[in-house]
Amino acid sequence: DIQMTQSPSSLSASVGDRVTITCRSSQSVSNYLNWYQQKPGRAPKLLIFAASTLQSGVPSRFSGSGSGADFTLTISSLQPEDFATYYCQQSSSTPYTFGQGTKLEI
Amino acid sequence: QVQLQESGPGLLKPSETLSLTCTVSGDSISPYYWSCIRQPPGKGLEWIGYIYYSGITNYNPSLKSRITMSVDTSKNQFSLKLSSVTAADTAVYYCARHYGSGRFDTFNIWGQGTMVTVSS
Repeated sequence: DIQMTQSPSSLSASVGDRVTITCRSSQSVSNYLNWYQQKPGRAPKLLIFAASTLQSGVPSRFSGSGSGADFTLTISSLQPEDFATYYCQQSSSTPYTFGQGTKLEI
Repeated sequence: QVQLQESGPGLLKPSETLSLTCTVSGDSISPYYWSCIRQPPGKGLEWIGYIYYSGITNYNPSLKSRITMSVDTSKNQFSLKLSSVTAADTAVYYCARHYGSGRFDTFNIWGQGTMVTVSS
């Protein structure tokens, strides 16, 4: 199985801050890497696919980059609705695996 | 728009079989892939397996011996059975639709999830 490791596990930030979350895979996943946002009591929501492509309807303050085994999710200017938990997920091979999550807190 | 609705048992005893049904509305179950994903309380996400509308399946090896997924295109539903449950199977169970091309595969539509608790 491909292991996905996110850092940090939690992050405190303020509205307007620029934040970056890192995801590393145990082997190369090329750019078969997705990012999801999950709010408490809700299902995850797809934000970014193919490492850097924004899902339709997702605000442009979200961006993704990376390839191979190292990826980042950046939020350029945090908004109140962005406080949530973020997960990376690889689709390079099954079993599909997720990172452990990064909780973004005020 | 497309909606997924999970229906599950809520509470199970150890050794019983979990049966989860996912009903798709707003679109046909074909020609998509469909997954079940779970999330233990306060923990991360685990992919359980997927099924294609034709019935082709792919299961997580960690659960493979206990899983059966099936599809009923006439009812626009797919189902998960997980046998011999233990407390470690306590989780919110989600259904999700795949979208993408080849290995550019995503879970782009999710159900609201259903909590399943295993307790004696």
